[in-house]
Amino acid sequence: EVQLLESGGGLVQPGGSLRLSCAASGFTFSSYAMSWVRQAPGKGLEWLSTISGSGGSTFSADSVKGRFTISRDNSKNALFLQMNSLRAEDTAVFYCAKDKGDSGYYPIDSWGQGTLVTVSS
Amino acid sequence: AIQMTQSPSSLSASVGDRVTITCRASQDIRNDLGWHQQKPGKAPKLLIYAASSLQSGVPSRFSGSGSGTDFTLTISSLQPEDFATYYCLQDYDYPRTFGQGTEVEIK
Repeated sequence: EVQLLESGGGLVQPGGSLRLSCAASGFTFSSYAMSWVRQAPGKGLEWLSTISGSGGSTFSADSVKGRFTISRDNSKNALFLQMNSLRAEDTAVFYCAKDKGDSGYYPIDSWGQGTLVTVSS
Repeated sequence: AIQMTQSPSSLSASVGDRVTITCRASQDIRNDLGWHQQKPGKAPKLLIYAASSLQSGVPSRFSGSGSGTDFTLTISSLQPEDFATYYCLQDYDYPRTFGQGTEVEIK
């Protein structure tokens, strides 16, 4: 059974940094691309970033390009999102998600339970 | 970026009703579209991928159709556990984009 467990969320001041983690289990982690998606309070889903199974390709939304960096450690079955220069509008629940394939051109098929990031002074 | 326009934004329906939600892409996305269900306070869940393929474990009352720019999610007989918000997501090109969501409420 696929399990995705996010961690690292919390309260951070504007301009601060935070690193989210996603621990994966139940599948061959390196064979699947992984993504981060967020949801601001009361709002819809927003795709942020995807990384291929090997980690050799990454894709990011313009809204976070240059501030957020996706990475992975296949030896530890872990996905990361480094978030810098955080703004109040980054306040959201952040979900990690698994793709159906390794390239970054397959659909999302599994989701973690999410971790809340609050940016406030 | 490809824009995904979902309609309606909300609907009220009764148990047993047939429900249809549509998603329109701003350009041809072949069949690279998924439908995800989200219940309040919970993570989304994949229902349909590649426009019409039922994800394993999802009840057969859910179905998807369409290709190109126009797509439909149909619930053939609405059940109490189906009251939720539904999102379409295109994975044809980056940036991936979601529809704005359709909230299905109890009438």
